[in-house]
Amino acid sequence: DSGVTQTPKHLITATGQRVTLRCSPRSGDLSVYWYQQSLDQGLQFLIQYYNGEERAKGNILERFSAQQFPDLHSELNLSSLELGDSALYFCASSVDIRDEQFFGPGTRLTVL
Amino acid sequence: DQQVKQNSPSLSVQEGRISILNCDYTNSMFDYFLWYKKYPAEGPTFLISISSIKDKNEDGRFTVFLNKSAKHLSLHIVPSQPGDSAVYFCAASALGGGSQGNLIFGKGTKLSVKP
Repeated sequence: DSGVTQTPKHLITATGQRVTLRCSPRSGDLSVYWYQQSLDQGLQFLIQYYNGEERAKGNILERFSAQQFPDLHSELNLSSLELGDSALYFCASSVDIRDEQFFGPGTRLTVL
Repeated sequence: DQQVKQNSPSLSVQEGRISILNCDYTNSMFDYFLWYKKYPAEGPTFLISISSIKDKNEDGRFTVFLNKSAKHLSLHIVPSQPGDSAVYFCAASALGGGSQGNLIFGKGTKLSVKP
């Protein structure tokens, strides 16, 4: 158990819908990262927050947004969902950017 | 364009022998490298890391070697055990280049250790 929790574990929804994925980092970790793993792809970095502020953006679509709250939990919002958004979404946390990242178990999103 | 490449999608090794997993990178700004192990239905688990100021880092059965001139790193597992069977991801970051720690991952190598 990495100490990072993600909910829900599975999510099935329809095209055009909006969903919210939630992540609670390890106690004491200030950095939260979101990654997407599609079929046959490695993990792709989406976005990073540090202590409530956005720090870095990767290949994140404009339909996707995220935030980190004062209690340090983070949410990833995916809207106008398309079939191609079906993937595993992982959250990771670390104390600081120079420390190893600990990953949650992921949320499997299926868009039908 | 893939900045981190793991050219072997799979590797099969006999229990007790050495497993060598390879990773190549193209971005010379990368200065921090990590290996993660992933079992099905779980998130990646951190294994071992190496900074670009070193060429070797060892932790128990796991050793990571870094060849900066060749832009190549490898993970050695000795001796391999059936419980090591998993997908191994190589990842890199450019901390000195202004990266905020976000990792660039390879596509992974599936290791099978046969009893």
